[in-house]
Amino acid sequence: AQSVTQLDSQVPVFEEAPVELRCNYSSSVSVYLFWYVQYPNQGLQLLLKYLSGSTLVESINGFEAEFNKSQTSFHLRKPSVHISDTAEYFCAVMNAGGTSYGKLTFGQGTILTVHP
Amino acid sequence: ETGVTQSPTHLIKTRGQQVTLRCSSQSGHNTVSWYQQALGQGPQFIFQYYREEENGRGNFPPRFSGLQFPNYSSELNVNALELDDSALYLCASSGTGGIPGELFFGEGSRLTVL
Repeated sequence: AQSVTQLDSQVPVFEEAPVELRCNYSSSVSVYLFWYVQYPNQGLQLLLKYLSGSTLVESINGFEAEFNKSQTSFHLRKPSVHISDTAEYFCAVMNAGGTSYGKLTFGQGTILTVHP
Repeated sequence: ETGVTQSPTHLIKTRGQQVTLRCSSQSGHNTVSWYQQALGQGPQFIFQYYREEENGRGNFPPRFSGLQFPNYSSELNVNALELDDSALYLCASSGTGGIPGELFFGEGSRLTVL
């Protein structure tokens, strides 16, 4: 069985400040790791992913996440946030050896609110 | 390119009733997954359909069932509704040869059970 824990349910920050959203996971098998984002009144969308290779992955809008196998973490960071980053962020894992590519285990979500 | 669409967007049922939720997958996608998202929680995997057959199921009772049609659209059926079934039901599609875990989600159907 797999589980994902997002350590903060809400993170308020001011615009242009750095932010870190924390994610820890538990799994007895190798996993792929994901961050999904849900903007207000929109569906979930993939922000970034770790499948293999470099443990540091980046998104097109300046977010990055680092896979730390020893600490079973996949924290999401951005050095300078914008108002438009206000959204709910979900960390998720998937069995790397599985055949159900649509089967993700999600965390509870972190609501990021960026204040002007 | 048409995205994932779900219907209805909102509905209210009473305990014991049955409900059917519908999903049209994104153009070119042949796999559909369904998730339940309770208030304040992350989405929970219900099941996945590929080529009209169930291909993976989460920890949900048999009263949660589904179908996938030849055009890859899908239905989620829930029988004998319980109060705890109140949630946002999300449909996601993905395609063969796509990135594992890269799902394209609809905006969901919000079910309220009274």
